Amino acid sequence: EIVMTQSPATLSVSPGERATLSCRASQSVSSNLAWYQQKPGQAPRLLIYRASTRATGIPARFSGSGSGTEFTLTISSLQSEDFAIYYCQQYNNWPPWTFGQGTKVEIK
Amino acid sequence: EVQLVQSGAEVKKPGESLKISCKGSGFSFSSYWLGWLRQVPGKGLEWMGLIFLGDSDTRYSPSFQGQVSFSVDKSIRTAYLQWSSLKASDTAMYFCAIPITAPDVFDIWGHGTMVTVSS
Repeated sequence: EIVMTQSPATLSVSPGERATLSCRASQSVSSNLAWYQQKPGQAPRLLIYRASTRATGIPARFSGSGSGTEFTLTISSLQSEDFAIYYCQQYNNWPPWTFGQGTKVEIK
Repeated sequence: EVQLVQSGAEVKKPGESLKISCKGSGFSFSSYWLGWLRQVPGKGLEWMGLIFLGDSDTRYSPSFQGQVSFSVDKSIRTAYLQWSSLKASDTAMYFCAIPITAPDVFDIWGHGTMVTVSS
């Protein structure tokens, strides 16, 4: 099973600032990496797939990069609605696909 | 509009059986794989497995093999997740999801079904 490790566990950011979230895979997942946002009481929302492709309707302030084992999600200028938990997920190797443990982005 | 609508919250006792549902609309139902995921309260997300809605081909994650079963009723566009004997450790939110935009990219999710197992 591929282990996905996200860092940091919590990121404290002021509105308008840039946030950089990291995700590392225990072995290469090529570019088969997605990022999800989850708010309390809601289902996850797909933000990025194929490591860098924004999903439909996702604002341009969200961007993804990386390949192989190292990935980054960048939120260029945090808005109030962006404070949430972010998960990376690999879909290169089944079974199973695996998620990171999440990064909580909180208001500083 | 593409939608997945899940059945309501359940409270059960250990040892009881349960079947929860996920009804799809707005897409070609039989053409997609549907995933089931678990989220224990306060914890992260886990893939339980996949079922192809066209022919019920199933792929279970090793951690969930033998613990749950998936099924589909195409006539009513509904997928099911079933337990034969619940445990307290099954207490979690369960989500269904499908990949509309691209293969293996699950972008449409149900709202989740909370299952609580307690004596």
